[in-house]
Amino acid sequence: SQQGEEDPQALSIQEGENATMNCSYKTSINNLQWYRQNSGRGLVHLILIRSNEREKHSGRLRVTLDTSKKSSSLLITASRAADTASYFCAPLRITGGGNKLTFGTGTQLKVEL
Amino acid sequence: DVKVTQSSRYLVKRTGEKVFLECVQDMDHENMFWYRQDPGLGLRLIYFSYDVKMKEKGDIPEGYSVSREKKERFSLILESASTNQTSMYLCASSPARVGYGYTFGSGTRLTVV
Repeated sequence: SQQGEEDPQALSIQEGENATMNCSYKTSINNLQWYRQNSGRGLVHLILIRSNEREKHSGRLRVTLDTSKKSSSLLITASRAADTASYFCAPLRITGGGNKLTFGTGTQLKVEL
Repeated sequence: DVKVTQSSRYLVKRTGEKVFLECVQDMDHENMFWYRQDPGLGLRLIYFSYDVKMKEKGDIPEGYSVSREKKERFSLILESASTNQTSMYLCASSPARVGYGYTFGSGTRLTVV
C-alpha cells in the first residue's frame, strides 16, 4: 500500500506551542501532500512537497521530506485554537493505475487555550 | 473561489433504496474521486475517474457504482443501500497533471436505516 501512516494518532498542546506530526510511507513517491480536516468537513490541501525537495514552508507550516527514510514531518509553529483539526499525509506514487492519493487515519491535533 | 459541491450535507435513506450522491466541480479538472470516511479506518477510495465516461475501481468498490457523463459531474450510486454503508462520503477533484493537490467537497453524511 502506498498510504501514509501518521504519528502520533492524537496530540494535545497549549496555544502558542509548536506541533509536530510525522508520516511514514513504504513506496517510492513523486510527491507527498498534507491535508487538514476540521470536524465533520472535507479535507483542505495544505502543502505539497516534491520528492526532490527536502523542506518547504508555507506561513506557519514547515514540511520536511526524507526519501531515504521514507518519512515526512509537518510542523505547525505558534499554534492557535483554530488549528484544532485532523491532519493527513498522502504520498503520491505515479503508477499505470493513475495518480490517486491514499490517506491514512490522520493525527488529531487539539490546541487548548 | 473554486469549488467542489456535494449535493447534500446530510442524507437519511432506508435499507434497499437506490441512493445517488452527486458531486460537481467548477475547475475543469480531469480527475474526480469518491472516498468514504469511517472512524478508525481513515479515508478509503471507492472509485475514481480520469475523464468523461472513464472510471476505475478503488479499494472498496463493492456495493457502489459511479457515473461520469459530463466532465464536471461525478455521481456515486448505491444500488441497494445497506446499513454498513452508513458513512461520511467525500468527493474530490484534481488536475490530470501531477503536482497539484486535491480539492474536496464538504462531504455527505449518509445514514442508512
